[in-house]
Amino acid sequence: GNSVTQMEGPVTLSEEAFLTINCTYTATGYPSLFWYVQYPGEGLQLLLKATKADDKGSNKGFEATYRKETTSFHLEKGSVQVSDSAVYFCALSSYSGGYNKLIFGAGTRLAVHP
Amino acid sequence: EAGVTQFPSHSVIEKGQTVTLRCDPISGHDNLYWYRRVMGKEIKFLLHFVKESKQDESGMPNNRFLAERTGGTYSTLKVQPAELEDSGVYFCASSQDWLNEQFFGPGTRLTVL
Repeated sequence: GNSVTQMEGPVTLSEEAFLTINCTYTATGYPSLFWYVQYPGEGLQLLLKATKADDKGSNKGFEATYRKETTSFHLEKGSVQVSDSAVYFCALSSYSGGYNKLIFGAGTRLAVHP
Repeated sequence: EAGVTQFPSHSVIEKGQTVTLRCDPISGHDNLYWYRRVMGKEIKFLLHFVKESKQDESGMPNNRFLAERTGGTYSTLKVQPAELEDSGVYFCASSQDWLNEQFFGPGTRLTVL
């Protein structure tokens, strides 16, 4: 079945460091791919998405490219800030009978220190 | 515009008791989803409503879980009787239609002792 695997955390970085959080997926067909972020005390927010191969999603300095050949959707940011500290979830959409449900990875906690 | 709201934010109950979680979707969103995250693992889909109809309940773990959405507005998720393994964070999400982004609530943290 469909699944998402992302790197285990926590990831601890200093401010302005480069961030990569790896995400790979298994899916039939052509899923859409997402990164969600959960800041402390808040709900999940969509960070970025890509709907087809080679698409690049970007938002708030974060980027991820839909790589079908490697079934990956790694999240990157060139210079992290303390305010980026959160839990990041990679997800794919699984269309079933025309209806949509999300399949998530286990989440990666990011802690950025000044 | 108000986002998705969930109540309560936290619930602590004894094994064997009943708990009811509530979700209020964004006004006008026909699609409502329930998910849960157990033991810091992946967030798993539970079920999907379109208006008041259950379209997909393939993720419901067992018959101790009952979800309703009377009138197609808010939804409740009842766990009866609760077991230790039901502890986790229960998320609700809503979307305008199945193609559009799902907006998530802050979650309800359920602890079963």
